[in-house]
Amino acid sequence: DAGVTQSPTHLIKTRGQQVTLRCSPKSGHDTVSWYQQALGQGPQFIFQYYEEEERQRGNFPDRFSGHQFPNYSSELNVNALLLGDSALYLCASSFRYRGPYSYGYTFGSGTRLTVV
Amino acid sequence: AQKITQTQPGMFVQEKEAVTLDCTYDTSDPSYGLFWYKQPSSGEMIFLIYQGSYDQQNATEGRYSLNFQKARKSANLVISASQLGDSAMYFCAWITMEYGNKLVFGAGTILRVKS
Repeated sequence: DAGVTQSPTHLIKTRGQQVTLRCSPKSGHDTVSWYQQALGQGPQFIFQYYEEEERQRGNFPDRFSGHQFPNYSSELNVNALLLGDSALYLCASSFRYRGPYSYGYTFGSGTRLTVV
Repeated sequence: AQKITQTQPGMFVQEKEAVTLDCTYDTSDPSYGLFWYKQPSSGEMIFLIYQGSYDQQNATEGRYSLNFQKARKSANLVISASQLGDSAMYFCAWITMEYGNKLVFGAGTILRVKS
């Protein structure tokens, strides 16, 4: 049973560029959440997708956008990259109808983005 | 504002000994879920243990147990018989109905197991 798959694993971009990160959820999961984890800090919630729509959003600027496809996979797009966007980006999948207290959150290994 | 706090930036423990990692939270919601995750240097978040606010007994999963003190709003992780492979970052996290189905993480505690 495949877990959450994220690609690429590492990425180096220049300030001002745009980047797209990808996530395939665990089999049977229909909800995808994205987190940003700066070095030495806890993950910060970016947004969550369910039924191909953004359902919740954290305190991130509009430069951060996403998409969910009919097969539940998801993309995170960041425009006009800043040095401060350098971080580990984690994708987590879950099954929505298991309830809000579900412990069925499965994380990927993340994409490490470096902006130079 | 609702928040979750881990006050120990780093901890050392001798191999085969037990260690407690602290986590406190602040909420007025009666219903919430508490989680602990392990993050090795590879970056993946590994689920360890879960405690619901209405659960009567403390959660246990193998060598991991959660010391849940609801009145004190604390949910400390206890790792028994520490192993070298336990060296990692540990995060406490929670979700509440009022704030949606998203995990909110603490700042983390880095644990180093000494041989």
